[in-house]
Amino acid sequence: RKEVEQDPGPFNVPEGATVAFNCTYSNSASQSFFWYRQDCRKEPKLLMSVYSSGNEDGRFTAQLNRASQYISLLIRDSKLSDSATYLCVPGNTGGFKTIFGAGTRLFVKA
Amino acid sequence: EAQVTQNPRYLITVTGKKLTVTCSQNMNHEYMSWYRQDPGLGLRQIYYSMNVEVTDKGDVPEGYKVSRKEKRNFPLILESPSPNQTSLYFCASSLIRATPSGANVLTFGAGSRLTVL
Repeated sequence: RKEVEQDPGPFNVPEGATVAFNCTYSNSASQSFFWYRQDCRKEPKLLMSVYSSGNEDGRFTAQLNRASQYISLLIRDSKLSDSATYLCVPGNTGGFKTIFGAGTRLFVKA
Repeated sequence: EAQVTQNPRYLITVTGKKLTVTCSQNMNHEYMSWYRQDPGLGLRQIYYSMNVEVTDKGDVPEGYKVSRKEKRNFPLILESPSPNQTSLYFCASSLIRATPSGANVLTFGAGSRLTVL
């Protein structure tokens, strides 16, 4: 099993839709989790941090399920500008190696 | 402005010609790291550094070297580049906090696109 697995997508959704991505991780010792957003050929940028059961920031909600070892990202009322690749990163996996998921691509269409 | 700066942003070179990609951060971060990104494979860690003179291998260190002589700089060295090192490279840095919440938010450079012919 890969350390971090994400559905690569692409997810094609209309504006205004709600979309959710899952990320599964194998290291049960991970304490913190991050979702990064990456636009095409640009650097990843932090979207949300998750330290407990979840986090909410406007239209974005991240939820952590430690028992099943997955975190989810929910985007409500999708905007065209949400089109990007979303990367999942568990923190503190095996010291300070950082293992990124391969990313989930989202396309929001008018 | 707090940032991570990589240079060059774009480079086309030939097999075997040594090159260095520089990375510098102005945030006094202890942790610095290099990644390569290839289609379908996502971001893979090459090397990382916890502090000056402390470096360690990531998942794909073969063919690369790094050094951390100063806290702000973490250059990536390709002694003898090969075509399979054609990729998009990112440098990133973060603070290290010894808290239960653990590892920290990474700030990335804008990326360096390297082509080895």
